[in-house]
Amino acid sequence: GAVVSQHPSRVICKSGTSVKIECRSLDFQATTMFWYRQFPKQSLMLMATSNEGSKATYEQGVEKDKFLINHASLTLSTLTVTSAHPEDSSFYICSATPPGQGDYEQYFGPGTRLTVT
Amino acid sequence: AQSVSQHNHHVILSEAASLELGCNYSYGGTVNLFWYVQYPGQHLQLLLKYFSGDPLVKGIKGFEAEFIKSKFSFNLRKPSVQWSDTAEYFCAVGPYSGNTPLVFGKGTRLSVIA
Repeated sequence: GAVVSQHPSRVICKSGTSVKIECRSLDFQATTMFWYRQFPKQSLMLMATSNEGSKATYEQGVEKDKFLINHASLTLSTLTVTSAHPEDSSFYICSATPPGQGDYEQYFGPGTRLTVT
Repeated sequence: AQSVSQHNHHVILSEAASLELGCNYSYGGTVNLFWYVQYPGQHLQLLLKYFSGDPLVKGIKGFEAEFIKSKFSFNLRKPSVQWSDTAEYFCAVGPYSGNTPLVFGKGTRLSVIA
């Protein structure tokens, strides 16, 4: 099946710094990728839809200036958490659907655990 | 707007017991339905999916789910659970067409005890 990778898997940063998380589709091209956030023992909440070559679409309540998304190529989307604060500590997960997949099954990356101290 | 409701927050079962996890969705159109599993410390994995056709869907590891359109339900079942089934289970719904994000239920934590 299709493979989506994320890097890094874990990151610890100090409050006020920025962190970049990469999401790659390894064996397919993805014009659209999705970024989710998962708090401990909670479900996945969609943060934004990343579109190759255009601006991301953010969900209500997600600060676009804080969570910068860049989808510069058909296999890479990045999420940058700017001026991170402890409340941004969470598990960030990306997903994508291979083109031509009729049932639109999404393939998920392994996630990135961000801890802001 | 779409929504997904998972009735059970935490289920505790003994090994060999039967499992049924409830999932109901709210959406006006035709949907794709998914069950994902997240083992401790691991990423989401697809258990099974319903796209069209036979409403009884068989997935990996002995899991199955039945789509009942009239009840807007997609309950997950397994006749005999194992300790290794201990995980978080998420039901998700996506529109029938279009590359759009999934809407997830809040998840059900399954703990299987020996």
